[in-house]
Amino acid sequence: DIQMTQSPSSVSASVGDRVTITCRASQGISSWLAWYQQKPGKAPKLLIYAASSLQSGVPSRFSGSGSGTDFTLTISGLQPEDFATYYCQQANSFPRTFGQGTKVEIK
Amino acid sequence: QVQLQESGPGLVKPSQTLSLTCIVSGGSNSGGSYYWSWIRQHPGRGLEWIGYIYYTGSTYYNPSLRSRVTISVDTSKNQFSLNLSSVTAADTAVYYCARENIAGRTFDFWGQGILVTVSS
Repeated sequence: DIQMTQSPSSVSASVGDRVTITCRASQGISSWLAWYQQKPGKAPKLLIYAASSLQSGVPSRFSGSGSGTDFTLTISGLQPEDFATYYCQQANSFPRTFGQGTKVEIK
Repeated sequence: QVQLQESGPGLVKPSQTLSLTCIVSGGSNSGGSYYWSWIRQHPGRGLEWIGYIYYTGSTYYNPSLRSRVTISVDTSKNQFSLNLSSVTAADTAVYYCARENIAGRTFDFWGQGILVTVSS
């Protein structure tokens, strides 16, 4: 199985801040990486696919980059509704695997 | 807009079989563009992919659960189901059904999730 490792596990930030979350795959996954946002009690929501493509309806302050084993999710100008947990997920092979999550908290 | 809705018992006894159904509305689960998947989340923890079924009935399961998992599909009812046998407390989790877009390889639609507790 491909292991996905996110860092940090949590980050404290203020509204308007720029937040960067990294995700590392245990082996190369080309650009087959997605990012999801999950709020308490809710299902995950797709934000980014193919490492850098923005899902329809997702605000442009979210962006993704990377390929191979190292990936980044950036939130430029954090908004109150962005406080949530973020997961990366590899789609290069089965079984699909997720990172352990990064919680973005209010400073 | 596609919607997915899980249903099933919220409490299962140890050693029994957990059975859940996911009803798909606003779209069909008989098309060839999607994998119909189950994903679970242990309380306060990350996401674990369980497996998928294609509309033809072909399946792929997580090797960690393969011996206990069966996923089936009923295209006439626009639903698919999960059976997990010989459950223990470690199977207590929120179970989600989700649609994986094959081309984009993304889980683009999810059910709301159902908490299943394994306890006597």
